[in-house]
Order: sequence, then C-alpha cells, then structure tokens
Amino acid sequence: GENVEQHPSTLSVQEGDSAVIKCTYSDSASNYFPWYKQELGKRPQLIIDIRSNVGEKKDQRIAVTLNKTAKHFSLHITETQPEDSAVYFCAATTNTGNQFYFGTGTSLTVIP
Amino acid sequence: NAGVTQTPKFRILKIGQSMTLQCTQDMNHNYMYWYRQDPGMGLKLIYYSVGAGITDKGEVPNGYNVSRSTTEDFPLRLELAAPSQTSVYFCASSPRRRELGYEQYFGPGTRLTVT
Repeated sequence: GENVEQHPSTLSVQEGDSAVIKCTYSDSASNYFPWYKQELGKRPQLIIDIRSNVGEKKDQRIAVTLNKTAKHFSLHITETQPEDSAVYFCAATTNTGNQFYFGTGTSLTVIP
Repeated sequence: NAGVTQTPKFRILKIGQSMTLQCTQDMNHNYMYWYRQDPGMGLKLIYYSVGAGITDKGEVPNGYNVSRSTTEDFPLRLELAAPSQTSVYFCASSPRRRELGYEQYFGPGTRLTVT
C-alpha cells in the first residue's frame, strides 16, 4: 500500500516568516493530495488540496506544490500568524483506491 | 447540513466494558471511515465502508467492529475495552467521486478513556 512520510515533525517560526512542510509518497498511482489543519482539541479540517494534473495551487497565504516525478508535495505558508499554530497533516489517495494515507503530522508554532 | 456528527463527545469505560460510538452523516456520502488518534500522534484507520452493507478493515481493526446498514450511519463497536483503546476517535465521510470531489469531512471526535 501507499506510504506517506512527512517532515519535519515540529517547526517553529517567527511571526511573518514562511513555513514549509514536506511530504513524500510511494504509490505513483496516487493523484489527490489534501492538507489538513488540526487545532488543539479540534477535528482535522481541509485547508488546501491538489490533484495530480496541476503542479501548484494557491489560496491566499497557503500554497501546495506537487512534483509527481519525485513523488513529493509541500505545503507553504507565507506571512505566518499566531493563529497558524496547529498540527498539519498531509495525505494521499488514488481515485480507484478507497483509503486515505496520512503523514504523521507537523506541529507548527508561530512565535509572536 | 449538519455534516458528520458523533456521539458521545466523551466517555469513560472500565476495562472489559463494551460500547458503541455513533457516527451519522447527512451528505449522502458513500464512503465512511473510522480513525483513532493517540495523543500527539497521527490518524490511524480502523475500518472503512464504501457503501451500505460493505465494510473493510484498516490498519488497526483488532478489538473493534463496524456495521453499515444505511448510507447515513456507521457505528463503531468496542468489545471488551482495554486501556490501549484510550484515544480520540474520529469518524469521516467522503463522496470520492470525480464530480463531487475527494475531500474527507471529519466529525468532532469522541474522547474515550478506558481505566
């Protein structure tokens, strides 16, 4: 099955700086890559996703890039704010499979 | 739409007791999932269902059972609770169709403690 690895496991940045979280996957058939944000005590919530037919997608301060050849995708958060502090999970799935495969999470702390 | 709802929010069980975690979605999604999340850890898939009457094991199914008699409901049964089942349990649903997307919608979670 698919194996998703996520790095780093913890990340601290100063407010206003950028944060980058990287994930690699093993199954070349994976074609949908969501990113979830989970605040303390809350449910995971989708913040951005990308399909394999595009290389980059942006939504205001967040962006995701995908390199299918290298089988990795990254989350970029610019101009970080304290409310960006949370755990972020990447995931991968195929349109023919049934499961989502999650990374182990990155705990992001934005220091005011 | 209420989305995905879970009950109860919190529960304390004694070792050996049984209980059912309820999950309901009103989005007519075919796919439903149960995950557990241990403190500071990621999501581990327990069971999933691709439609009413069809269920399958995930990564950590031991000690759990599920059923899917309707599209809306996907209860998770714990038999003979053990301390290792102390965790937060999330139910999720997804349409997993090209025209509707592949996003997973999570319920608010059930925090279970087994002592």
